[in-house]
Amino acid sequence: AQSVTQPDIHITVSEGASLELRCNYSYGATPYLFWYVQSPGQGLQLLLKYFSGDTLVQGIKGFEAEFKRSQSSFNLRKPSVHWSDAAEYFCAVGPRGGSYIPTFGRGTSLIVHP
Amino acid sequence: DVKVTQSSRYLVKRTGEKVFLECVQDMDHENMFWYRQDPGLGLRLIYFSYDVKMKEKGDIPEGYSVSREKKERFSLILESASTNQTSMYLCASSFEAYGYTFGSGTRLTVV
Repeated sequence: AQSVTQPDIHITVSEGASLELRCNYSYGATPYLFWYVQSPGQGLQLLLKYFSGDTLVQGIKGFEAEFKRSQSSFNLRKPSVHWSDAAEYFCAVGPRGGSYIPTFGRGTSLIVHP
Repeated sequence: DVKVTQSSRYLVKRTGEKVFLECVQDMDHENMFWYRQDPGLGLRLIYFSYDVKMKEKGDIPEGYSVSREKKERFSLILESASTNQTSMYLCASSFEAYGYTFGSGTRLTVV
């Protein structure tokens, strides 16, 4: 069965510092890969997605993620964090056919210190 | 800008009431979904639909039903609300595998 692991429940960074959020997955084949962000009291917003091709994908709000097949990972990065980036981040993996329903990780809460 | 609109941001209902949560999307997406989100449990899929009048059970359908009479609208129904259904409910739509667009969520409290 597929699974998604976000090993860090909470991450604290200082404003202006770089950020990397980890995501590992277990899947039978290369899935579609997603990162979502959820601000407090809001729904989730799609940050970026990987389907094929270049393994470094760019998203909105200055985020990027790198797909590493050998490590079954899809880590999210940002070179300089802003206070407004404080939110919950979810990694998700989805099948390339069939139901298209993704499996979500449990999320990583990002805290940004001034 | 494409949107998924959930009719209520906050709802307070009494135990035993029948509750309707409405979701409308303007993107002509075939697929629509209802999730609930609880601390420590993540997102759990309740029901989904791939077409009008079609519905499929997700991981936790007990105590819920859905209705999809029009392509743009997907309603979640709590037949007899209970306190353990207090949660954040999220509606989403998608075109095939291209990622979800979520609504802002409805925070339901059952007292």
